[in-house]
Amino acid sequence: GAVVSQHPSWVICKSGTSVKIECRSLDFQATTMFWYRQFPKQSLMLMATSNEGSKATYEQGVEKDKFLINHASLTLSTLTVTSAHPEDSSFYICSASKDRDSPLHFGNGTRLTVT
Amino acid sequence: DAKTTQPNSMESNEEEPVHLPCNHSTISGTDYIHWYRQLPSQGPEYVIHGLTSNVNNRMASLAIAEDRKSSTLILHRATLRDAAVYYCILRDTINDYKLSFGAGTTVTVRA
Repeated sequence: GAVVSQHPSWVICKSGTSVKIECRSLDFQATTMFWYRQFPKQSLMLMATSNEGSKATYEQGVEKDKFLINHASLTLSTLTVTSAHPEDSSFYICSASKDRDSPLHFGNGTRLTVT
Repeated sequence: DAKTTQPNSMESNEEEPVHLPCNHSTISGTDYIHWYRQLPSQGPEYVIHGLTSNVNNRMASLAIAEDRKSSTLILHRATLRDAAVYYCILRDTINDYKLSFGAGTTVTVRA
């Protein structure tokens, strides 16, 4: 069964509103989770590393004020897309692993459509 | 980040083996070799990973060259459900253990 659960699986929102995506590790505690974005027919692009109890680390070119990440517990990280615009429409995927030597497990992704 | 190079696409017939190559000539001693696959509209799925020795699991085998500069993912008997994009990725477990995805290899399986 799935060890990383992502919710919602899809969401449609109006331009200017904010959307929150949840990522939960079900079978293990994860001090670190990763958030990716994927546009059609492209590979996954790492957006940020979510660290439990501290600030997220963002990849170059990713706006930290637009993509708010909160990792308040060892099993939950959230990504909030603030003031969403149509160009933010994408497939957002989270991942986590039990430790550095273990494989990453991915959520099933969230399809965001901004109208 | 240590980079990997994979062919863009590969075709196979059902029930036949598939050998997916990956070059990683700049691999460091602390890099694990990971393979994931992704079906359309789904998150990636873990396939296999290894450090130096060849690895086998129920999904596939991973053959790692002695100098670790290349590796091959082997699907022993391809099925239609194996059609996916396969990603070969290096994960540094000491310094920076995030996974960065390349373009991957699109595998097509013919019935």
